[in-house]
Amino acid sequence: GIQVEQSPPDLILQEGANSTLRCNFSDSVNNLQWFHQNPWGQLINLFYIPSGTKQNGRLSATTVATERYSLLYISSSQTTDSGVYFCAAHGSGNTGKLIFGQGTTLQVKP
Amino acid sequence: IAGITQAPTSQILAAGRRMTLRCTQDMRHNAMYWYRQDLGLGLRLIHYSNTAGTTGKGEVPDGYSVSRANTDDFPLTLASAVPSQTSVYFCATRPTSGRGEQFFGPGTRLTVL
Repeated sequence: GIQVEQSPPDLILQEGANSTLRCNFSDSVNNLQWFHQNPWGQLINLFYIPSGTKQNGRLSATTVATERYSLLYISSSQTTDSGVYFCAAHGSGNTGKLIFGQGTTLQVKP
Repeated sequence: IAGITQAPTSQILAAGRRMTLRCTQDMRHNAMYWYRQDLGLGLRLIHYSNTAGTTGKGEVPDGYSVSRANTDDFPLTLASAVPSQTSVYFCATRPTSGRGEQFFGPGTRLTVL
């Protein structure tokens, strides 16, 4: 099955800095999503992006399906951006399950 | 308000007891899923349902059962809880089984002693 790897595992930023999180996947995907798990444990949908580029405020994401990677950009980071960012992918098969990466833990310092 | 609700929010349970985690959605999504999240292991699929009346096993189904009597509800039952089932449980939905964005409920934190 698909394997999903994220980097870096941990990231510490000063408020206002920019960052790029990377997600590599081992096979073609029908579904690629980015989530933010906040300190209360909620999984917040950021992007559904099996291919192309999307932007939502200070966040944007790009998936290059042919090269099997996706990037999440955070600009002008804020302390509320802290938490764990997960990339998850679904390939073929009828279970529909998402395979999650191990996550990037982001800490934004004031 | 559209979304996914899970109950209870948290629970402490004695080993050997039976427990049902509830999940209800009002988005009329066909597909529903149960995942567990464990430190160091990420999220893993327990069971899934592509549509009302059907269910399937995920990666870690042992010790769990599900039913899907209607579109909105997808309860997860632990017949006889064991400490290794201590975890955070997330219910998720998707409009269809094959493609589309998957949405997650707020989670249930379960501790089995």
